[in-house]
Amino acid sequence: DVKVTQSSRYLVKRTGEKVFLECVQDMDHENMFWYRQDPGLGLRLIYFSYDVKMKEKGDIPEGYSVSREKKERFSLILESASTNQTSMYLCASSRYGGTSGIGETQYFGPGTRLLVL
Amino acid sequence: SQQGEEDPQALSIQEGENATMNCSYKTSINNLQWYRQNSGRGLVHLILIRSNEREKHSGRLRVTLDTSKKSSSLLITASRAADTASYFCATVGGTSYGKLTFGQGTILTVHP
Repeated sequence: DVKVTQSSRYLVKRTGEKVFLECVQDMDHENMFWYRQDPGLGLRLIYFSYDVKMKEKGDIPEGYSVSREKKERFSLILESASTNQTSMYLCASSRYGGTSGIGETQYFGPGTRLLVL
Repeated sequence: SQQGEEDPQALSIQEGENATMNCSYKTSINNLQWYRQNSGRGLVHLILIRSNEREKHSGRLRVTLDTSKKSSSLLITASRAADTASYFCATVGGTSYGKLTFGQGTILTVHP
């Protein structure tokens, strides 16, 4: 069975803290994605990666960075957390569909609900 | 940027009724996908329809795609209380490495 896991379901951090959110997939997928989900705004792509050590900015990368040192693991880093980063963070993975954007099914983790005080 | 727009934003029906959700998008696509999200959980893939397909079925789900109108619909037949969830359409287009662009979703409530 396909599995994407995220390091925490709930997280409470202080403004200015460095925050690490980790995502692990066991499907040998090339693509991994980080989204945030906010009421009224839907899911927005923060960053994605199509290979180890490769990363591409999504629609809202400001205030975030990512790391992909191993194929199965994709980390999202909030360099200095701010209250406007309070959100639900969702990780996903998919097979590589190539640059033509065929678009494979994405498999999602359960999400991390982050509260920044 | 949000491309898919779902309609209605919320839908409330009784068990046994059919539920229809619509999705419109703006640019050309390679495929369109529908996902479901139970409250506070991750998304689960339901069905994928390619740009050269017009209709697809999976169990009680029926998806249609009209590329000329840039719209899709998801029909859930004989709904159950367990179908209560948010439903999202997502589009893939261009040289995007398979990136999905999600709509804001339809909240479906099925009353027992």
